[in-house]
Amino acid sequence: GNSVTQMEGPVTLSEEAFLTINCTYTATGYPSLFWYVQYPGEGLQLLLKATKADDKGSNKGFEATYRKETTSFHLEKGSVQVSDSAVYFCALSDDTDKLIFGTGTRLQVFP
Amino acid sequence: NAGVTQTPKFQVLKTGQSMTLQCAQDMNHEYMSWYRQDPGMGLRLIHYSVGAGITDQGEVPNGYNVSRSTTEDFPLRLLSAAPSQTSVYFCASSYSAGFSYEQYFGPGTRLTVT
Repeated sequence: GNSVTQMEGPVTLSEEAFLTINCTYTATGYPSLFWYVQYPGEGLQLLLKATKADDKGSNKGFEATYRKETTSFHLEKGSVQVSDSAVYFCALSDDTDKLIFGTGTRLQVFP
Repeated sequence: NAGVTQTPKFQVLKTGQSMTLQCAQDMNHEYMSWYRQDPGMGLRLIHYSVGAGITDQGEVPNGYNVSRSTTEDFPLRLLSAAPSQTSVYFCASSYSAGFSYEQYFGPGTRLTVT
């Protein structure tokens, strides 16, 4: 079945460091891919998305490129801030109309 | 717009008790869903609805019931609570099911079953 695999956390970085959170997926067909972010005590919010191969989603300095050849959708940011500390979820939506999430990666950014 | 609202924010139940988690949205979204979030397991789909009067099971439906009598409301009922249902529950809505449509999440209900 369809699934999403994320790197385990926590990821601990100093402010202004470069961030990569790996995400790979298994799916039949051509899913849409998403990154959601969950700040402490809150629900999930959509961070960015890509709906077809080679699309790049971007928002708030974060980017991810839909790579069909490697079935990946890695999240990157060039310079993280303390306010980026949160849990990040990679997810896919396939032709069954359901959203399938990875296990989440906690990011901790220290000043 | 209030978006997606959930009540209560916190709840403690004893094993065997029943309760209803409330979810409402004011965005006129057709699609609504319930997830549970457990450590190390991400979010798992419990039940979902593609419109008023239509519901279906997700990945982990056992022990939960839903109904969708209006577009706005999608309550989740625990019939006989068990400790395995201790979790954080999120309701979400979107304009349409899956694909490229963004899901909007409520703030969650933290449930503890003793």
